[in-house]
Amino acid sequence: DAKTTQPPSMDCAEGRAANLPCNHSTISGNEYVYWYRQIHSQGPQYIIHGLKNNETNEMASLIITEDRKSSTLILPHATLRDTAVYYCIVRVKSEYSSASKIIFGSGTRLSIRP
Amino acid sequence: NAGVTQTPKFQVLKTGQSMTLQCAQDMNHNSMYWYRQDPGMGLRLIYYSASEGTTDKGEVPNGYNVSRLNKREFSLRLESAAPSQTSVYFCASSERYFGPGTRLTVL
Repeated sequence: DAKTTQPPSMDCAEGRAANLPCNHSTISGNEYVYWYRQIHSQGPQYIIHGLKNNETNEMASLIITEDRKSSTLILPHATLRDTAVYYCIVRVKSEYSSASKIIFGSGTRLSIRP
Repeated sequence: NAGVTQTPKFQVLKTGQSMTLQCAQDMNHNSMYWYRQDPGMGLRLIYYSASEGTTDKGEVPNGYNVSRLNKREFSLRLESAAPSQTSVYFCASSERYFGPGTRLTVL
């Protein structure tokens, strides 16, 4: 699986959009981009994933560049509860065939300020 | 629908003791994963299982064994616990659902 690079920390004002970047320049054609977050000492929480098109769900939007070498996770209206470590991962998506490893990096620590 | 359950929630062991961490899911997923997370660090993959009866090593498999006897359960065993295995252990079912973790201290 390709490696990802994320800034170690970011901050954002409450109510503003939080834009978290991720670089995955070695991504291959069959690898998806996944985003997770971990709030304090809880188990990680899946946020969103995508292949090449932009994706949106109730939690966030995922913007993937046309060359797929980078992506941005957007939390449209950040709240204090969004303070967490955010992880960007690339992997081959498989649920009904052999699973691939999900390797977490060090992530981005996002702090939301009041 | 309980999602992913892990037992126990907390455990203290002495060096050399053995124990098994249990993980179960009720979502009929094929793939399951075991991770450890040391204080202030990211998650590291120990073992994973693509389906019932199959397991594969992750990043840090030494000192651990796993068992996937059925689709629902994936257990992690420490045969001879060491202080370096003090950590929080997370189980995941598919790539989306993580358990609440088991906090293990080895004295």
